[in-house]
Parts: sequence; C-alpha cells; structure tokens
Amino acid sequence: DGGITQSPKYLFRKEGQNVTLSCEQNLNHDAMYWYRQDPGQGLRLIYYSQIVNDFQKGDIAEGYSVSREKKESFPLTVTSAQKNPTAFYLCASSMGRGRDTQYFGPGTRLTVL
Amino acid sequence: AQSVTQPDIHITVSEGASLELRCNYSYGATPYLFWYVQSPGQGLQLLLKYFSGDTLVQGIKGFEAEFKRSQSSFNLRKPSVHWSDAAEYFCAVGTDSNYQLIWGAGTKLIIKP
Repeated sequence: DGGITQSPKYLFRKEGQNVTLSCEQNLNHDAMYWYRQDPGQGLRLIYYSQIVNDFQKGDIAEGYSVSREKKESFPLTVTSAQKNPTAFYLCASSMGRGRDTQYFGPGTRLTVL
Repeated sequence: AQSVTQPDIHITVSEGASLELRCNYSYGATPYLFWYVQSPGQGLQLLLKYFSGDTLVQGIKGFEAEFKRSQSSFNLRKPSVHWSDAAEYFCAVGTDSNYQLIWGAGTKLIIKP
C-alpha cells in the first residue's frame, strides 16, 4: 500500500538531547513537509523540501534541522536549541504544486522530560 | 498575503443534526481549497478539495463544501452528523505561486448524543 510512515509514534527525550524523527513515503512524491501541532494552534510549517538535496525553512525552523538525501525520506532532527519541543509532529508529502493534495503520516508525539 | 480563517474554535452539534463549518480565505486570485479532518492523535485525511468548475464539491463521508467567490468562503456541510464525525476539521488554501498550503487554525467538532 502506498503511504507515509512516521516512526516512532511516541518519543521521549531528556532536555539537552537531540532526537531524530523518521518520515518515509512510497508515493513517489517530489515534495515533503514537516509540521508541528500544538493544542489550539493548528499546523505550523517547520521545513519543506521540493526536491532531493534541497529544502527551505518554514515559519518555525529555529531549533530544527532536516536532510533530503533520498526522494523517499525526510528526517527531522529536533535539537537541544529548540526551547519547547514537546508537541505532535506531522510529516506530509505531495506532488509539490499548490493545487496538489498533501498526504499525511500518522504523526509522532514527542515529549521532553 | 494569503490567510485562512476558521472563526469557530469549537462547535457542538447533536447527533443527526446538520452541520456547517465556516472557512474564509484571503487571496487575490482563485485559490485551491481543501478541507481535512483529524481524529485525536492521528494524521490528517483529505475530505474534499476545490480547483475550478462546479462550486459545490462532494467529498468522502457524506461531506460537501461550497465555494462562494463573492464571500471568499468555502464552508463545509453535512446534512446529518454521526458520533464518528467528532474530530478536528482544517481548511487550507493553495496557490500557483507557492508550494505550501496556508492552514486555518481548525474547528473542533463535538457531537452530543
């Protein structure tokens, strides 16, 4: 089945540690996106990538980093510089144009202890 | 700049009653319009989308939405809600000038038995 997978579903980390969230898609989509979701705040774009080896900052990129070495994969690293990393993180992919549907993974809930 | 407004943070509806969720957008040209649904702790699923043509769009799960250019609106409707419709609903706008979607803050739908 085609789709987007995110792992792990739940992630716990200690303050001061970096952590990497996985996102893989087998939809052959060019574009991939990372969103952060906090209660009552909707979706906020962290990073997006339109093509392999290229990515752009979204609205809240500070404290996060990404890579896009393969078309299928777009991992997100939450660094220790991110002041309030506890949130629900969603990965999405699309063909890349404004008219194209974004397809979402099931999300990763990150909790900083 | 483009923007999307969902004026209702929460809506409570009795099971079997009709539903209308409001979405207003700000964009100079004809936008691409999307409605997504999110169950608690899950990713987002596309309900329906509008690109052009017929302004009344049918989606999955019995939902429909009507694009009204004069009111810059794209309201989501369902004639009779079911308890399983309890979720959060997001409106989004896409344009030809941007690879991103602009998201509304979401409306949480609560179903009364």
